[in-house]
Amino acid sequence: ETGVTQTPRHLVMGMTNKKSLKCEQHLGHNAMYWYKQSAKKPLELMFVYSLEERVENNSVPSRFSPECPNSSHLFLHLHTLQPEDSALYLCASSQEIRGRDEQYFGPGTRLTVT
Amino acid sequence: SQQGEEDPQALSIQEGENATMNCSYKTSINNLQWYRQNSGRGLVHLILIRSNEREKHSGRLRVTLDTSKKSSSLLITASRAADTASYFCATDASEKLVFGKGTKLTVNP
Repeated sequence: ETGVTQTPRHLVMGMTNKKSLKCEQHLGHNAMYWYKQSAKKPLELMFVYSLEERVENNSVPSRFSPECPNSSHLFLHLHTLQPEDSALYLCASSQEIRGRDEQYFGPGTRLTVT
Repeated sequence: SQQGEEDPQALSIQEGENATMNCSYKTSINNLQWYRQNSGRGLVHLILIRSNEREKHSGRLRVTLDTSKKSSSLLITASRAADTASYFCATDASEKLVFGKGTKLTVNP
């Protein structure tokens, strides 16, 4: 968790709301990731950014919109979410997009959609 | 698609005992990593083992890798209550990590 911060830590939103999750890494890494963690399911990779360029979108619904304005910041914009989107959203970073690179995770945002 | 799968799903032991968790995967890998997650928090990297390595140690952790069986194990020796957490293996697939569902370990004082 050290070096990667996420805000807010908890978020409750209605299905018609628009909100954003923020992630910041202080490690000088070039790659950043958004993951979704739901109960009893494996960690799901949502988006991957390398040097601010999106390199992967794992068939994520358009109600999730990522933004990476620079290599240290990553946002996840949320709109018209569904109750099944309630989950822990984790941001991570790594030096590069390489399988041998350790990923550093933030503490997560616990999202509840009502 | 899920690559790594941990076993057992849950494990409860007494403090001082050893805990062993297993991970099986389906396709060839270059590396396998183990992570730990305390309840409701982010994951923390524990150890990485390369495909040409068979065993690796880090403190009270011992990881083995058997590429012929496509499996890995994580052994925590002399467990402590603070080791209570979920443990995940992650395999590299197309240069990205694919995580399993994890093993939830409870160490009772």
